Amino acid sequence: ETGVTQSPTHLIKTRGQQVTLRCSSQSGHNTVSWYQQALGQGPQFIFQYYREEENGRGNFPPRFSGLQFPNYSSELNVNALELDDSALYLCASSHQRGSITGELFFGEGSRLTVL
Amino acid sequence: KQEVTQIPAALSVPEGENLVLNCSFTDSAIYNLQWFRQDPGKGLTSLLLIQSSQREQTSGRLNASLDKSSGRSTLYIAASQPGDSATYLCAVSGGGADGLTFGKGTHLIIQP
Repeated sequence: ETGVTQSPTHLIKTRGQQVTLRCSSQSGHNTVSWYQQALGQGPQFIFQYYREEENGRGNFPPRFSGLQFPNYSSELNVNALELDDSALYLCASSHQRGSITGELFFGEGSRLTVL
Repeated sequence: KQEVTQIPAALSVPEGENLVLNCSFTDSAIYNLQWFRQDPGKGLTSLLLIQSSQREQTSGRLNASLDKSSGRSTLYIAASQPGDSATYLCAVSGGGADGLTFGKGTHLIIQP
């Protein structure tokens, strides 16, 4: 059974650019969620995808968007990057039954630096 | 809005000591609570998951308790080792699609 994998591990962008981060879910999981973790803070929920649709969203602007594919892998896209977007972006997968999201398993994260 | 607080923010103890990390949350209507470990610059490793109907969970030297009515959880680490040095995060779930709400973590250092 493979775990959650994310790519790239590190990347550097400049303000105003766009970035795409990728995540492969753990085998058997149908739900993926993304979190942003600034230095010294706990992770903040960005959004969750289930059956290729966003079914939950935290307090993040629309320039944060995502996709979930039929194989349950996912992308996080951030447009018009700002300096404050510099953070560790974590992907988590889980199995949702009905309306209940189960235990989350996290990847190693993608470290984004915006200059 | 759910808020999670972890105390202390940092803790340094000699190897071999037993220790307790604290987590409190403001809304008792949770579905479950998870404790995670995070090494510097790395992702999160799930340590223990406690369902709202449970009082505690144990895994090896770790024991987590949950008092849902008072909005508190503790993580007990027995016979601490230098390899336990990490940041420990507590997170609660409402069970739906609103994601986990995390505390800021407790940075733990175990001195050899």
